[in-house]
Amino acid sequence: DVVMTQSPLSLPVTLGQPASISCRSSQSLVHSDGNTYLNWFQQRPGQSPRRLIYKVSNRDSGVPDRFSGSGSGTDFTLKISRVEAEDVGVYYCMQSIYWPWTFGQGTKVEIK
Amino acid sequence: EVQLVESGGGLAQPGGSLTLSCAASGFTFSSYWMSWVRQAPGKGLEWVANIKDDGSEKYYVDSVKGRFTISRDNAKNSLYLQMNSLRVEDTAVYYCGCMVRREAFDIWGQGTMVPVSS
Repeated sequence: DVVMTQSPLSLPVTLGQPASISCRSSQSLVHSDGNTYLNWFQQRPGQSPRRLIYKVSNRDSGVPDRFSGSGSGTDFTLKISRVEAEDVGVYYCMQSIYWPWTFGQGTKVEIK
Repeated sequence: EVQLVESGGGLAQPGGSLTLSCAASGFTFSSYWMSWVRQAPGKGLEWVANIKDDGSEKYYVDSVKGRFTISRDNAKNSLYLQMNSLRVEDTAVYYCGCMVRREAFDIWGQGTMVPVSS
């Protein structure tokens, strides 16, 4: 199975400051169709997961533009340009190229 | 409104069975792959199973292969997860979802809790 490794696992951030989460996969996530199937999810406390980013850098509908994704091959990053209170929660990267799909361990973002 | 609503959760005994359902509305259910993802108490997300739009392909995480069966009824806009030989470690909130990996389309239900305990 493809192992997804996130860092850090805990991220205290000051409101209005940037935040960055790293994700590394044990295999390249580049598909033969040319796409890289790396997703980022947000799970706010007590809520269902919600995807923020698909194919490395594409924002889902309704996702604020302060969220951005980047990376290639096996190394990926989610950035929040200015953290807001509503961004508190756990963030997961997930690969959707190989079966079984696999998630990272999660990064807990909290306000300092 | 685009929506997924799970049902069928509840206390199950080790070795027992349970079937989860997920009712879809507000989108063309029959056009999309569907997923089940679970989350054990205090733990992270774990993908469980996927089923193709027409039901012809199914994929499972190793820990549930041979015990869980994903299925769908496109006429009823419904997704199912038949869970047999349940184990304590299957205790989790189960979410049904529709996540299109190539497009900006992502919907998740509110989840249904399945505690497995004697």
